[in-house]
Parts: sequence; structure tokens; C-alpha cells
Amino acid sequence: DVVMTQSPLSLPVTLGQPASISCKSSQSLVYSDGNTYLSWFQQRPGQSPRRLIYKVSNRESGVPDRFSGSGSGTDFTLKISRVEAEDVGVYYCMQGTHWLTFGGGTKVEIK
Amino acid sequence: EVQLVESGGGLVKPGGSLRLSCAASGFTFSNAWMSWVRQAPGRGLEWVGRIQRKTDGGTTDYAAPLKGRFSISRDDSKNTLYLQMNSLKTEDTAVYYCTTERDGGFDSWGQGTLVTVSS
Repeated sequence: DVVMTQSPLSLPVTLGQPASISCKSSQSLVYSDGNTYLSWFQQRPGQSPRRLIYKVSNRESGVPDRFSGSGSGTDFTLKISRVEAEDVGVYYCMQGTHWLTFGGGTKVEIK
Repeated sequence: EVQLVESGGGLVKPGGSLRLSCAASGFTFSNAWMSWVRQAPGRGLEWVGRIQRKTDGGTTDYAAPLKGRFSISRDDSKNTLYLQMNSLKTEDTAVYYCTTERDGGFDSWGQGTLVTVSS
């Protein structure tokens, strides 16, 4: 099974400051069709998860442009350019190349 | 607007069975790959399994630890997805989400239904 490792586990941030979450996979996530199926999800407290990013860097409709995804192969990053109060929650990466597995999550909180 | 509404959760004893349903609307259900994802209390997300659309073969796939106990089916005439869970264990206690699957991930989610396995 592909293991997805996120860091940090907890990320205290100051409002208006940038934040970055790392996600590393145990195998390359490049699929035979040339795509890399790496997604990022946000789960606000008490809510269902919501996909923010798919195929490494594509934002879902309605997702603010302060969220961006990057990376390749086995190393990926989610960046929030300026954290807002509504960004508090747990963020998960997920790979869809070798079946479907999630990272353990990163809790973003305001300092 | 895509809507996914799960139902059927509740309290069940270890060894028991439960069937969850997911009513879909706002999109062409028969064209969608559908998955179930679960989340144990205070824990992370775990993919349970998926069913392809019929035109792609309608195949089902499951997370290895759940294969044999869980079964996914769909009724395209009713726009409904199902999850049949048998031989339930306490560790199956979780919120179960119905999702659509696109581009290697889950783009729409229901509100979830809680399954509690306890004596």
C-alpha cells in the first residue's frame, strides 16, 4: 500500500501569514496516463471534508486562490498564502494513483 | 447543485449487519463513479470502497481490510448508492460518507451517517 505522510501534525499560524503543509508518498504518484492523482482536502470543525485541489495543482471551483498546490513524484505541498480565520480545520492529502489512501492530516489553528 | 444524503446509520451489536443508503441528486448519477469513505471518531479519513459506472463495467473495489465483509451496490433507476456491512466490529464505528469520485479523488461529499458498533 502507498503510505502518505503529512507534516507537521499541527500548524499554529498567525492570521494573514502564510502556511505550508507537506505530503510525501512512499511511491511515485505518476500514473500510466501521465497524470499525478494527488488531492488536498479541508475539513472544518463539524463539517464534511471538501476537496480543494486535485491533480496536484488544480483548484476546485469556488476555492479561494490563496490556496495552491505544487509538487511532483513523491513530494507535494499545499500552501495558503494568507491564512484567514475560516481556514481553521484539518487538511488531508490523498493519492488516487495506487488505489486510494489519505495522509494522516494536519491541524491548522490560529495562534 | 450536487446533493448526497446518507441514511441508515445507527447502533448495532458486534457481529450484526447494517445497510447504508445514499440518495443522489443534482447530477447524472448513472455516469458517476461513487465511493464510501469513513472516519472513526477523532481520527482521519479512510477509503472504504467504490463502484464504477455501468458503462465502465460497474466493478466494485474495496480497501483490503474490509473486503469480504462490506459490499457496495447502486440502483441507477433510484439514483441511490448502497453500502451493505456484515459481521460488524467495534472498530467499524465511524461516520460514513458517500462521495462522487473524479480525477483520482472525491469531489462531492454527503453530510455523513454515524454507525456505532457496540454491545
